[in-house]
Amino acid sequence: GAVVSQHPSRVICKSGTSVKIECRSLDFQATTMFWYRQFPKKSLMLMATSNEGSKATYEQGVEKDKFLINHASLTLSTLTVTSAHPEDSSFYICSASLAGGPGELFFGEGSRLTVL
Amino acid sequence: AQSVTQLGSHVSVSEGALVLLRCNYSSSVPPYLFWYVQYPNQGLQLLLKYTTGATLVKGINGFEAEFKKSETSFHLTKPSAHMSDAAEYFCAVTSLGAGNQFYFGTGTSLTVIP
Repeated sequence: GAVVSQHPSRVICKSGTSVKIECRSLDFQATTMFWYRQFPKKSLMLMATSNEGSKATYEQGVEKDKFLINHASLTLSTLTVTSAHPEDSSFYICSASLAGGPGELFFGEGSRLTVL
Repeated sequence: AQSVTQLGSHVSVSEGALVLLRCNYSSSVPPYLFWYVQYPNQGLQLLLKYTTGATLVKGINGFEAEFKKSETSFHLTKPSAHMSDAAEYFCAVTSLGAGNQFYFGTGTSLTVIP
């Protein structure tokens, strides 16, 4: 089956620093990847849709300058949380789907960000 | 527009008892429906999906769900709960032409009591 891998799984950083999270499709090419944020005991909030070779499409209310998304290749999308603050602490999950959808979404393992 | 409602944010069942997790959807076009399971600090894993064809779909770990268009429902069931079923369950909807954008319910936390 299709495998999506995220790295790092956990990251702790100081307030004001930037953190990069990688999302890779290991055995398929993903022209589109999705980034979600999950708050404790809450559902997944779609942050943005990442399209290979073009700018990401952000959902309403998501700060583009705070959450930088780059999809430089068909197998890699990155989310950079810039100038992180404690309120950015959350569980971030990426997903990708196979071409020719809609099909299922394949999710990464998630990345737990803690900003001190 | 599409949306999903999961009734009951928390469900508790005894080990060996029937599991029923409810999901109702709203969609102006034929829906594609999914159930995902999430264990603590992990991503989501697909349990089962309905796209077209047979309305009763079987998934992994003994779970199944039935698409009922008249009731706009896609409830998840398992005849006999196991301790390992304790997790968060999410129902999701998408459709052809939605660009693979999925809409998730708020999730149901399943507790299995020994």
